Amino acid sequence: GAGVSQSPRYKVAKRGQDVALRCDPISGHVSLFWYQQALGQGPEFLTYFQNEAQLDKSGLPSDRFFAERPEGSVSTLKIQRTQQEDSAVYLCATQLGNTIYFGEGSWLTVV
Amino acid sequence: GENVEQHPSTLSVQEGDSAVIKCTYSDSASNYFPWYKQELGKRPQLIIDIRSNVGEKKDQRIAVTLNKTAKHFSLHITETQPEDSAVYFCAAIASGNTPLVFGKGTRLSVIA
Repeated sequence: GAGVSQSPRYKVAKRGQDVALRCDPISGHVSLFWYQQALGQGPEFLTYFQNEAQLDKSGLPSDRFFAERPEGSVSTLKIQRTQQEDSAVYLCATQLGNTIYFGEGSWLTVV
Repeated sequence: GENVEQHPSTLSVQEGDSAVIKCTYSDSASNYFPWYKQELGKRPQLIIDIRSNVGEKKDQRIAVTLNKTAKHFSLHITETQPEDSAVYFCAAIASGNTPLVFGKGTRLSVIA
């Protein structure tokens, strides 16, 4: 596609519910990142893939967060047993050289 | 790891005045410094970037300066307009295989 596509754009989850957020990267972009952006804050790194390999997951805030990219293209960020503090925009980005391409983000609100 | 500090957190300027946002970074290996503009509900948009082999870059009303010795870089917006109002983020990256590390953002308000 023309850009990084994320779905759903908006998600309201009840506390304790599991959610899955999808990222369709730009075709051919090997590097894929997930960021979490809380209201009024800068994006915070969560995890990084190079093709299907998850090379860095040091930013995942807890073991309730899990990300995968099984075929080196589409990636899914899963959050289990959501909590209110998980409410944020989740940004997916791909990288070519030093240029980062962001998706529009998935806005998660946990109520 | 890299740590990026950004100041100020909010900035209000009169239309036509200049705005300056400053960032510092900690990792001397960082060599690429982009600036992003984010409007409410939108994705961050790259507005200008600078690589470590240059000290200054300008694009119309926007310029970025880099002082590698002091590990700081700044965004300068001249002749500000109301549409410049947004949140601006600086970032730093060491290589193509490492994540961008962002500052916490500056909310710029341009008052007409």
